[in-house]
Order: sequence, then C-alpha cells, then structure tokens
Amino acid sequence: EAGVAQSPRYKIIEKRQSVAFWCNPISGHATLYWYQQILGQGPKLLIQFQNNGVVDDSQLPKDRFSAERLKGVDSTLKIQPAKLEDSAVYLCASSRGAGRYGYTFGSGTRLTVV
Amino acid sequence: DQQVKQNSPSLSVQEGRISILNCDYTNSMFDYFLWYKKYPAEGPTFLISISSIKDKNEDGRFTVFLNKSAKHLSLHIVPSQPGDSAVYFCAASPSGNTPLVFGKGTRLSVIA
Repeated sequence: EAGVAQSPRYKIIEKRQSVAFWCNPISGHATLYWYQQILGQGPKLLIQFQNNGVVDDSQLPKDRFSAERLKGVDSTLKIQPAKLEDSAVYLCASSRGAGRYGYTFGSGTRLTVV
Repeated sequence: DQQVKQNSPSLSVQEGRISILNCDYTNSMFDYFLWYKKYPAEGPTFLISISSIKDKNEDGRFTVFLNKSAKHLSLHIVPSQPGDSAVYFCAASPSGNTPLVFGKGTRLSVIA
C-alpha cells in the first residue's frame, strides 16, 4: 500500500511569515495525526482527526496554528505567523484506529524559521 | 510533564552484541506500548509492540519486555547489526481513542 505522503519536504521562512503543510494519509485510514518534533525531542501531538472531525487539539497553539481535514482524507496544517521556536519537523501519521494499531508516519516536513 | 521517559540519549554497541534500550512511564493508565525506529530524514517506522496483559513480545531479533509494577519497558536487539543504527522512540497509549505519547528517543550506534 502507498505510504503517508507529505509535502513539502523542506521549508525555510522568515519569522512572522505564514506556511502550510500538506498530508495525504493511507487510503482507508480514518485517523490522522499531526505531530511536531523539535530537535532532540520526541514527537509531540498537535492535533488528531477522526475522519473530518477534530478529536484532540488540546496541544495545538490555536493563536497561530490551524489544521483542517476536508472530506476526511487530505489534511493541511498552517502556521501564521511563524516564530523561531516553530522550527521543527512536522510529522503526519495515519492509522486505522486508535494508538494500539500503531501509526504509519510520513517522512515529515522540516521547517526552519529564520 | 513527561509521561514517557527515555533517560539515555545515546547508546553505542558493538556489532553482534546485545543492545538494550530502556523506557519508563508514569501514567498507570497506559496499557499499550510501542517502539518506533527512525532513520535521518525519514518518519518513524513501527518496530514492535506489547500489550499490558503480556510481559514479553518477540519478533525476530527484537524483544520487548514490560514490567508493569516498575512502569518500565525495554527493547532488546540481539544480535545488533550496523543497520540497526537509528533513533528509537518508546511510545505509549491508554485504552480508548487516545493518541500515542512518545519519549525523547535514544540514538543507537552499532559499531562494526
């Protein structure tokens, strides 16, 4: 089966600019996650979707981050305006169900804010 | 508030020997544990998992041990190979539709 697709792979922006990331999960996977991985740390959940509904966005900095999953398939994550501390790898993952099924991760988007 | 802890940032092992990666957790609600492996510029890939009803799960060279009373799990790789060099993340989930919580990772280097 095709994996989780993410684009772009790399992005460099200046602080206060906006940026968007795209994710296409594995076909049939109802659950989609966005994680942020800062260098030297483990992935940290930003938002979880079940089909096109938000299940958990408690750790999403909603003043600057937004995410949507239209039609329950593709998803976009946006940052506006970006801060230096947003420099990280943004990982998209999908799964058939909840955590016990394990996730399939995409390769991630490495964001550098200068 | 780090619920999943990997206290060793790095580990170096000779090829052919055993690699032991450790993970501790604080949330007693966690009942399913997974290990992921990550190569540079790639996303983490699932390696092995264990349910809290078991204390051991084996898959080829990889074995995960769970000690619920100590809230501790470990991943054993025997024998270690240079291709095992990667960052290993421990992750945990409580029952229900709750996302995985990850540790900070341990970088394993297997030296030929």
